[in-house]
Amino acid sequence: GAVVSQHPSRVICKSGTSVKIECRSLDFQATTMFWYRQFPKQSLMLMATSNEGSKATYEQGVEKDKFLINHASLTLSTLTVTSAHPEDSSFYICSASGLAGGLRGNEQFFGPGTRLTVL
Amino acid sequence: QKEVEQNSGPLSVPEGAIASLNCTYSDRGSQSFFWYRQYSGKSPELIMFIYSNGDKEDGRFTAQLNKASQYVSLLIRDSQPSDSATYLCAVRKGNKLVFGAGTILRVKS
Repeated sequence: GAVVSQHPSRVICKSGTSVKIECRSLDFQATTMFWYRQFPKQSLMLMATSNEGSKATYEQGVEKDKFLINHASLTLSTLTVTSAHPEDSSFYICSASGLAGGLRGNEQFFGPGTRLTVL
Repeated sequence: QKEVEQNSGPLSVPEGAIASLNCTYSDRGSQSFFWYRQYSGKSPELIMFIYSNGDKEDGRFTAQLNKASQYVSLLIRDSQPSDSATYLCAVRKGNKLVFGAGTILRVKS
């Protein structure tokens, strides 16, 4: 149980375009989803927290107009990187937590990540 | 002071040995602690969580928590080359996790 998927796994785009990344919890309802970014050889950086049906809470320094997050259902959250630039190239990872089965809502389970390259 | 601190390593151990990974945290009120493993180029994978003082064992892994000293550790028995990865310690803060920078573990055959 507690499987999280992400799509696409890898995307290459031109500078100025927008990219949408999907995060799905496959076997549990995710009351909260999290979006992280990780640059090479660095630790995870939390970008934002989203709860189903409400606006995302962004971490300090993260531009909410550039990184649009939608959490429309208990199993799906999307991150859209708008007007992407080369410096947005990174590994984007979502995670989800929820209450189901043995989960107590404390554990976060990560998706496989999306590697974004902006040319 | 960082909220969660880990030695970056690399920690090198021979195959079959016990690997000991340590983590300290600054918020004395923290209640929930997690260990994740991250292979290069992959996302983190939850190994264990621990909420109570003492030891928690799961297969070759043992998590140890000492709230008075504000440290949590992960022991890996009978280390295998496949255990070579970065190990991330995380502490729950509200509904978020605060991650340490990770310790690189290398198990040499």
